[in-house]
Amino acid sequence: DVKVTQSSRYLVKRTGEKVFLECVQDMDHENMFWYRQDPGLGLRLIYFSYDVKMKEKGDIPEGYSVSREKKERFSLILESASTNQTSMYLCASSSYSRGRGDEQYFGPGTRLTVT
Amino acid sequence: GEDVEQSLFLSVREGDSSVINCTYTDSSSTYLYWYKQEPGAGLQLLTYIFSNMDMKQDQRLTVLLNKKDKHLSLRIADTQTGDSAIYFCAESLTNRDDKIIFGKGTRLHILP
Repeated sequence: DVKVTQSSRYLVKRTGEKVFLECVQDMDHENMFWYRQDPGLGLRLIYFSYDVKMKEKGDIPEGYSVSREKKERFSLILESASTNQTSMYLCASSSYSRGRGDEQYFGPGTRLTVT
Repeated sequence: GEDVEQSLFLSVREGDSSVINCTYTDSSSTYLYWYKQEPGAGLQLLTYIFSNMDMKQDQRLTVLLNKKDKHLSLRIADTQTGDSAIYFCAESLTNRDDKIIFGKGTRLHILP
């Protein structure tokens, strides 16, 4: 079974704090993703990584950074948390499939509240 | 109901073929479309197929339609870095005043 785990299910942080969200997958997948999910807006891609130390901006990278030092781990960093970053954060991973469609496996999500 | 589904992400090496798949639910659709959205740009109509056709080819692009399974695909041959974009599948519904329903888009990433 593919397993994607996220370090916390619930997190409460104060405005201005530095926040780390960790994601680990155990299937040796090349691709990893960070999304946020907000009511009425669906899933929005923040960043993705297609290899160790390689990253690409998604649709809403502002206010976030990422780190992929090891293949199995992809971290999302909020340098200075703000209230508009209160959201559900979802990590996903997928395997390179030679252009035939990458099935993404999602973690359980981290609900972050910034007060 | 009206629904158009596509996978969120596809990665492919430069020079390989890409296949982006889409499924739709409404059998009354007349035209099915593929749009491309490059970073920072709007939607650009790439190609379309009439629902009584099963294939359409336009240079590097091949559209295949399986009406029985309500499955549409876009094949891009010899994928180039300029093909990196989000691709949206869409259908138009004649019984809904030609309302167009879009999928959520498939992000095509070209591996260096």
